[in-house]
Amino acid sequence: GENVEQHPSTLSVQEGDSAVIKCTYSDSASNYFPWYKQELGKRPQLIIDIRSNVGEKKDQRIAVTLNKTAKHFSLHITETQPEDSAVYFCAASIGRDFGNEKLTFGTGTRLTIIP
Amino acid sequence: DTAVSQTPKYLVTQMGNDKSIKCEQNLGHDTMYWYKQDSKKFLKIMFSYNNKELIINETVPNRFSPKSPDKAHLNLHINSLELGDSAVYFCASSHFSGSGNEQFFGPGTRLTVL
Repeated sequence: GENVEQHPSTLSVQEGDSAVIKCTYSDSASNYFPWYKQELGKRPQLIIDIRSNVGEKKDQRIAVTLNKTAKHFSLHITETQPEDSAVYFCAASIGRDFGNEKLTFGTGTRLTIIP
Repeated sequence: DTAVSQTPKYLVTQMGNDKSIKCEQNLGHDTMYWYKQDSKKFLKIMFSYNNKELIINETVPNRFSPKSPDKAHLNLHINSLELGDSAVYFCASSHFSGSGNEQFFGPGTRLTVL
């Protein structure tokens, strides 16, 4: 089955600087890669996603890049703000048939923005 | 107008008891999931249902029995609770598209087994 590795497990960044979180996946059939943000005591919420037919996607201060050949994808947050502090999860799924639509999550990155 | 709701939010119980968690979504989605998040924050799929039919069962002990009475509801019943069942259980829903779609999570149920 799919295995997703995520690094780093913790990341501290000065406010205003950029943060990068990296994930690798094992199953070349995976074609959907979402990123979720989970604030303390809250539910995971989607912040951005990318499909395998796209190499990069941006939404304001957040961007995701995907390298299918190397089987890795990254989350980039620019101009970080205190409210960006949370745990971020990458995930992968095959998504084309019912049995494989499940999300396999990375182990999470605790991002702390230092004011 | 909560999209995905779960009850109860907190559940504290003794080992050996049986308990249920309920989930409802009002998004019109056709697929619902149960995830378990342990104390180290690892999020792992347990089950998924599509149109009331069990699709994914990720080698979860058969003490866990999901039930989907209709597309909008997915409940989780746990028999003979063990200490290791303590975790946060999240329900989620999505619309199956064949190319991956956002999964919307419920607020979670924190289960503590004493």
